[in-house]
Amino acid sequence: AQSVTQLDSQVPVFEEAPVELRCNYSSSVSVYLFWYVQYPNQGLQLLLKYLSGSTLVKGINGFEAEFNKSQTSFHLRKPSVHISDTAEYFCAVSYGGATNKLIFGTGTLLAVQP
Amino acid sequence: NAGVTQTPKFQVLKTGQSMTLQCAQDMNHEYMSWYRQDPGMGLRLIHYSVGAGITDQGEVPNGYNVSRSTTEDFPLRLLSAAPSQTSVYFCASSQNGQVGNYGYTFGSGTRLTVV
Repeated sequence: AQSVTQLDSQVPVFEEAPVELRCNYSSSVSVYLFWYVQYPNQGLQLLLKYLSGSTLVKGINGFEAEFNKSQTSFHLRKPSVHISDTAEYFCAVSYGGATNKLIFGTGTLLAVQP
Repeated sequence: NAGVTQTPKFQVLKTGQSMTLQCAQDMNHEYMSWYRQDPGMGLRLIHYSVGAGITDQGEVPNGYNVSRSTTEDFPLRLLSAAPSQTSVYFCASSQNGQVGNYGYTFGSGTRLTVV
């Protein structure tokens, strides 16, 4: 079955430290990959996406993610986090390219501490 | 440009009551969908529509109805609310149905409590 796994439900980190949020998906020939961010009491905003080409994707707010086909992963990274990065982060996958549906992971709460 | 507008933002219902969650978008997006968000479960697809007059079920459709009479609007109906439907509901839309190219635009959500 098609699925997305975010193993870490919560990641605490100190301000200015690096962070990695993990995402794995079930194997498929063709996938489009997304990271969304949800700030408290708001909807989801697109952070970055991978469609094809370079496996390193840069997004907004200094975040980047790397597509690793052999490990079926799409981990999100930031070299130095800020208090304002505290939010919930969702990985999402579209299988089959042109399909209309996104399958979301269960989310990871990034809690940045001073 | 308002994007995706959801109303109401908050609602409390009694078990058995009915209501409609409204979703409207002004971007001429063909694809619209409804998700529910529950703690520890992420977002689960309820229903979606690839254009006016066309709807289909998602992962958790039971207890919900939808219709798509216009491109702009995609209301979600709860016919007989149950406590298990207590959740945060998000409407999302995508241009031309090509989610891979455009991703989703989300509304700000409706927080529903059924008592």
